Amino acid sequence: KAGVTQTPRYLIKTRGQQVTLSCSPISGHRSVSWYQQTPGQGLQFLFEYFSETQRNKGNFPGRFSGRQFSNSRSEMNVSTLELGDSALYLCASSLGSSGRGQETQYFGPGTRLLVL
Amino acid sequence: GESVGLHLPTLSVQEGDNSIINCAYSNSASDYFIWYKQESGKGPQFIIDIRSNMDKRQGQRVTVLLNKTVKHLSLQIAATQPGDSAVYFCAETLYGGSQGNLIFGKGTKLSVKP
Repeated sequence: KAGVTQTPRYLIKTRGQQVTLSCSPISGHRSVSWYQQTPGQGLQFLFEYFSETQRNKGNFPGRFSGRQFSNSRSEMNVSTLELGDSALYLCASSLGSSGRGQETQYFGPGTRLLVL
Repeated sequence: GESVGLHLPTLSVQEGDNSIINCAYSNSASDYFIWYKQESGKGPQFIIDIRSNMDKRQGQRVTVLLNKTVKHLSLQIAATQPGDSAVYFCAETLYGGSQGNLIFGKGTKLSVKP
């Protein structure tokens, strides 16, 4: 099976712009989660989608949003970019069947975003 | 706060030696723990997991130990190889929580000397 894929792999934006990142989960996986990774804060949970619905959300401002399509592919959007949004954005997928937090999440390679 | 943390930010070992990476968690309600390995330029790679009803689980060259009494998790790597050099993260999820909400530790960098 193909792993989790993310596009683009690298992105450079300027402050105030917006950006959309894409994630394709492993075939058959219905849950997609997004994480932000920075040297200072480490890996932090952004949100999780299951069956096109946001099921869980981390502690990030409303500038960060996402959605999931019927084929389980997901996108996340960051509006009004700030310098501090520079990070590696990781997508992870899991089957999503248990709904009780005990399923393995498999990560993609990430999208590295640089905000200038 | 309720978060996963690591005792050692860096660990340097000789090739062939065993490595032990430690992790402390503060939430006694956490019931599922995972170790991930992240190599430079890549996303975290699943290594091994353990549920709270177990205290030990073994994989290929790796063993995870869970001590719920002191809320401690460790990853043991046998016969460490240069390819094991990476940053290792422990992560936890809370009972009844969505699987999307993994709480990660800060990570330990493992450096293997040939």
